[in-house]
Amino acid sequence: GEEVAQTPKHLVRGEGQKAKLYCAPIKGHSYVFWYQQVLKNEFKFLISFQNENVFDETGMPKERFSAKCLPNSPCSLEIQATKLEDSAVYFCASSHSGTQTLHNEQFFGPGTRLTVL
Amino acid sequence: LAKTTQPISMDSYEGQEVNITCSHNNIATNDYITWYQQFPSQGPRFIIQGYKTKVTNEVASLFIPADRKSSTLSLPRVSLSDTAVYYCLVGDLSNDYKLSFGAGTTVTVRA
Repeated sequence: GEEVAQTPKHLVRGEGQKAKLYCAPIKGHSYVFWYQQVLKNEFKFLISFQNENVFDETGMPKERFSAKCLPNSPCSLEIQATKLEDSAVYFCASSHSGTQTLHNEQFFGPGTRLTVL
Repeated sequence: LAKTTQPISMDSYEGQEVNITCSHNNIATNDYITWYQQFPSQGPRFIIQGYKTKVTNEVASLFIPADRKSSTLSLPRVSLSDTAVYYCLVGDLSNDYKLSFGAGTTVTVRA
């Protein structure tokens, strides 16, 4: 598609429950990124993929967070045993492999708002 | 990635020009300056990118002085729909693909 799609739009979980978020990147884009926006404007990078391979996972809390980008499937971000502090908007972005004139413009989806009660 | 500093908020009125200055004193030779815009309840959207001097597109202009230690995003004749958070990012995105957002500048346009 021409836009990054994210589902669901909203997700409510009780503490300790599992949450799974999905992202369909723009067709033809090689890179997928996950970001977490906790407070109003603060973004935290979580993980990126180059096709189905993990590219950079330096931002992932590895104990409870995992992510995949499998061929012919939406990418997913899964949180096991959610905590109150996981409440945030999770954005997925995709980009084409870098060009010489435009350095990796990232196209963001609308986000998934996760509320942990 | 180079640290950036920009005003927390700015108010403006419809039809005015809005200029947001971002400081990035530690910018490196290979770093580019990129601005993103985020409307409420949406993901960020790329606005403009530059390396030096001036860049203009249909949405905004970006002014970068010779020393590149700051940059100014200029939004001409703003409308109510330009109310958003504007983020200044600096980095060598050919080597480090992840984006590092600061706090951004909340621009509020009033009628």
